[in-house]
Amino acid sequence: QVQLVQSGAEVQRPGASVKISCKASGYTFTTYFMHWVRQAPGQGLEWMGIINPTDGRSTYAQKFQSRVLMTRDTATSTVYMEMSRLRFDDTAVYYCARSEGAIWFDPWGQGTLVTVSS
Amino acid sequence: DIQMTQSPSSVSASVGDRVTITCRASQDIINWVAWYQQKPGKAPKLLIYAASTLQSGVPSRFSGSGSGTDFILTISSLQPEDFATYYCQQSHSFPRTFGQGTKVEIK
Repeated sequence: QVQLVQSGAEVQRPGASVKISCKASGYTFTTYFMHWVRQAPGQGLEWMGIINPTDGRSTYAQKFQSRVLMTRDTATSTVYMEMSRLRFDDTAVYYCARSEGAIWFDPWGQGTLVTVSS
Repeated sequence: DIQMTQSPSSVSASVGDRVTITCRASQDIINWVAWYQQKPGKAPKLLIYAASTLQSGVPSRFSGSGSGTDFILTISSLQPEDFATYYCQQSHSFPRTFGQGTKVEIK
């Protein structure tokens, strides 16, 4: 079955960087786009960007343009989301989510909690 | 950016009730809307896409309707497992955007 398994929780200092992984299985990795969405504690869903695993090209929400890098490794069917210059308000659960044609998100990874704390 | 405005933000209902949640887009998005269900501590789950198409495996008590700027998610007969938060999302253009969520609570 299709599965997205994300890396474990992270605690980082303000100003540091974090890199989260999302390993896909159960389908042809390059056939589907992958999105990243985050959710701050008690808040709604915020779209961050999308990567095309076929060529590695990404599109980011303007808010994250200068601080986020999405990459992929086709050999291991894994996508990565790296965020730099972390701030306290980056504390959130970060999700990867697959989509066909970059449209609907299904399924989602289990989420990775990133806590930014001094 | 396209704004997605959901209403109500929360609703209290009983098992067996009919529940409707509305999502309004800030511009015409044709039918490029999906609905997701999220339970506490869990990832969202796709319920409906293209405004009215039921995702495989989702119970038929869930339905979606609408086009243009106004969309509705209906739960025809609320079940205990349906108490959750529901989000709409547009895929008409980038950036993808979500509604703020509607929490369905037990009355």
